[in-house]
Amino acid sequence: SAVISQKPSRDICQRGTSLTIQCQVDSQVTMMFWYRQQPGQSLTLIATANQGSEATYESGFVIDKFPISRPNLTFSTLTVSNMSPEDSSIYLCSVEWWDYGYTFGSGTRLTVV
Amino acid sequence: DQQVKQNSPSLSVQEGRISILNCDYTNSMFDYFLWYKKYPAEGPTFLISISSIKDKNEDGRFTVFLNKSAKHLSLHIVPSQPGDSAVYFCAATTYAGGGNKLTFGTGTQLKVEL
Repeated sequence: SAVISQKPSRDICQRGTSLTIQCQVDSQVTMMFWYRQQPGQSLTLIATANQGSEATYESGFVIDKFPISRPNLTFSTLTVSNMSPEDSSIYLCSVEWWDYGYTFGSGTRLTVV
Repeated sequence: DQQVKQNSPSLSVQEGRISILNCDYTNSMFDYFLWYKKYPAEGPTFLISISSIKDKNEDGRFTVFLNKSAKHLSLHIVPSQPGDSAVYFCAATTYAGGGNKLTFGTGTQLKVEL
């Protein structure tokens, strides 16, 4: 299956600042997905990122808050902008790898203070 | 609207016994289902999946059962081992050539006791 490197693994940020999370895949993939897991909650899809096109955001998530880049078939970034304590979550990237299900990165644990 | 539900937030089982984790869904368009295991500080790890054309899929100690009429699936782990202690998520998607999002349940914390 694909191997995903995600960084940073964790960060503590001041409110009002922004954090960019990077996701590197060891294989070329068409779609990459960004999820959020709030404390005690399920994983919720933020957006789907295709290379060469604008990301598609799910209901409740907007590009100004969560801008995404997808410059090539192995890399993507998610930025959490103008952070508030409510953004404290685990953020995960994922790629589709059907023989093995969707594969996830190890996640970024974000705490906003 | 929670389309995938895991009604048991936690489950405790003795080592060697069977663990049964349950999942219900409401969206009849879902046709592919997956189970993931998640340890703290790690991303979810894929365990096993099942297509809606099947009612059972087995992989080693893990078996997933699907009851389409009841919109219910379950994961059986036999025998349970202490290393199985983790949070288990079921997920569902509409497989139309791939590239579709996963909808996750809220997870069940499994604890396998010695």
